[in-house]
Amino acid sequence: DIVMTQSPDSLAVSLGERATINCKSSQSVLYSSNNKNYLAWYQQKPGQPPKLLIYWASTRESGVPDRFSGSGSGTDFTLTISSLQAEDVAVYYCQQYFDTPTFGQGTRLEIK
Amino acid sequence: QVQLVESGGGVVQPGGSLRLSCAASGFTLSSYGMHWVRQAPGKGLEWVALIQDDGRNKYYADSVKGRLTISRDNSKNTLYMEMNSLRAEDTAVYYCAKGSSTIHYRLFDYWGQGTLVTVSS
Repeated sequence: DIVMTQSPDSLAVSLGERATINCKSSQSVLYSSNNKNYLAWYQQKPGQPPKLLIYWASTRESGVPDRFSGSGSGTDFTLTISSLQAEDVAVYYCQQYFDTPTFGQGTRLEIK
Repeated sequence: QVQLVESGGGVVQPGGSLRLSCAASGFTLSSYGMHWVRQAPGKGLEWVALIQDDGRNKYYADSVKGRLTISRDNSKNTLYMEMNSLRAEDTAVYYCAKGSSTIHYRLFDYWGQGTLVTVSS
């Protein structure tokens, strides 16, 4: 199975500041025939199921605010929140869908 | 709008059995692969099982192979998980999740609220 590793495990950022979460896969999730990275990001707030934020590494799901952006290719990916809002407090997971689905361990984002 | 509603969770003794259900609405269940994903208390997400749209192909995590069985009844718009020989480490919230498309079925675009399974004596 492809192992997904996120960093950091937790992060505290001031309101209005930038938050950056990294995700690394143990093998490339870039499919050469369509040049797409099979990498998604989810947000999970306390007591709620995960919510899809970004897929294809950088495509925002409908309705997701544009302060959320994804980047990267191959094995290294980043989720960036450009200006942290109070409602962004959550745990964030990356997931590869190139093969049998696997998730990163999660990054807990808090307000400093 | 898409809705997934799980039921059937509860407390069961080690070695016991349970059947989870996931009622789907707002989309044509028969057109999509469906998954179960679990989350142990205070832990991360673990994919458990996939059943493809026609119900013929099923895939499982090694940790549950031979003990958990995924199935679907497209006529009832319902996904199931039969759970046998349950262990303490199966304690988790179990979510059903919808595959995003026929081709990209390993991407989860909608999730249910989850149902808690507790394995304890």
